[in-house]
Amino acid sequence: QQQVKQSPQSLIVQKGGISIINCAYENTAFDYFPWYQQFPGKGPALLIAIRPDVSEKKEGRFTISFNKSAKQFSLHIMDSQPGDSATYFCAASNQGGSEKLVFGKGTKLTVNP
Amino acid sequence: DTGVSQNPRHKITKRGQNVTFRCDPISEHNRLYWYRQTLGQGPEFLTYFQNEAQLEKSRLLSDRFSAERPKGSFSTLEIQRTEQGDSAMYLCASTPRTGELFFGEGSRLTVL
Repeated sequence: QQQVKQSPQSLIVQKGGISIINCAYENTAFDYFPWYQQFPGKGPALLIAIRPDVSEKKEGRFTISFNKSAKQFSLHIMDSQPGDSATYFCAASNQGGSEKLVFGKGTKLTVNP
Repeated sequence: DTGVSQNPRHKITKRGQNVTFRCDPISEHNRLYWYRQTLGQGPEFLTYFQNEAQLEKSRLLSDRFSAERPKGSFSTLEIQRTEQGDSAMYLCASTPRTGELFFGEGSRLTVL
């Protein structure tokens, strides 16, 4: 049972374009939704996170949109840059419990110059 | 910068051998997590500790796997009688209970 489904598996965009990655979750107990960025040979690093009391959160070029009723959330990367080329993982957890993160399978983003 | 430290970074072993990985979390983070990540997949939860107590273990953690966190500081993950299917990146993370998990750079295991 995959609790967090992520799409697309891979994404290629041109420099300056918008990258959009989508995730859907099943467990309504989840109340924390982060996005992690991972470069080859490195551990995942937190990019941005949202809690279900807001529908959108923006930090610089990165925006999370959250739809509680649809149990979906997405990451938008504006003005994508070659340095953004990495694998992105959505995740979810129940902050009132173990706080363990359940990850999606990842999206490999390539930004062409 | 005293982030999460993992050692060794890469371990190559023969099938049937035992291996041990060590994780030093960020100081004062009382929760510590172990994850496994295979190529092209997201990290999968293995187990977590609050201080020295192991509070949850995934079904992925077979009897050949054991994790400890003596005195609530560093943690070790031991795999006995390794199998080729154990080849993966083993990630450690710690948290100050803000929700954010801080990951180390991982220990890559290759079982020949």
